[in-house]
Amino acid sequence: DVKVTQSSRYLVKRTGEKVFLECVQDMDHENMFWYRQDPGLGLRLIYFSYDVKMKEKGDIPEGYSVSREKKERFSLILESASTNQTSMYLCASSGTGSSHEQYFGPGTRLTVT
Amino acid sequence: GENVEQHPSTLSVQEGDSAVIKCTYSDSASNYFPWYKQELGKGPQLIIDIRSNVGEKKDQRIAVTLNKTAKHFSLHITETQPEDSAVYFCAAGAPNFGNEKLTFGTGTRLTIIP
Repeated sequence: DVKVTQSSRYLVKRTGEKVFLECVQDMDHENMFWYRQDPGLGLRLIYFSYDVKMKEKGDIPEGYSVSREKKERFSLILESASTNQTSMYLCASSGTGSSHEQYFGPGTRLTVT
Repeated sequence: GENVEQHPSTLSVQEGDSAVIKCTYSDSASNYFPWYKQELGKGPQLIIDIRSNVGEKKDQRIAVTLNKTAKHFSLHITETQPEDSAVYFCAAGAPNFGNEKLTFGTGTRLTIIP
């Protein structure tokens, strides 16, 4: 079974802190994604990566950056956390075969105070 | 870019009845339409998908229909059961063009009333 793990289920940070959210997948998937989930707004894509050291902006990249140094790991970075970044963050991965299924991690609930 | 609208935002149905969730998309280049189910405390999980060369697809109690001309697709759940209670997301993408990005709808919270 594909497994996508995220470093924390719950995280509380202060405004202005630098925040790292880590995601690891064990299926040798080429593609990895970071979404944020907010009530009434669904899943919105922040960044995605289709290969090591490659990244593409999603729909809401402002205030975020990402790092993919190894194929299995995709990190989301909040350089200076703000209260409007309080949200649920979901990581996903997918392969490049005929199945385009994205496999999601359990999410990290981030609260910025 | 792609825009996906999803309705209704909440839906309550009696156990055993059918549930229908509808989505529209804007980009005619989209050719892949998955549906994801998110249970409480978990990440979304793919339940069914359809590609643009197919009008309907079924998997047991779940079916999806696609109308490319009207740019809308729907999820149908028959004989609903309590375990169908969850949030459902539709999405649209164009993976055949080498881009695995998906645009998701805003979600439907489905509640099955016993």
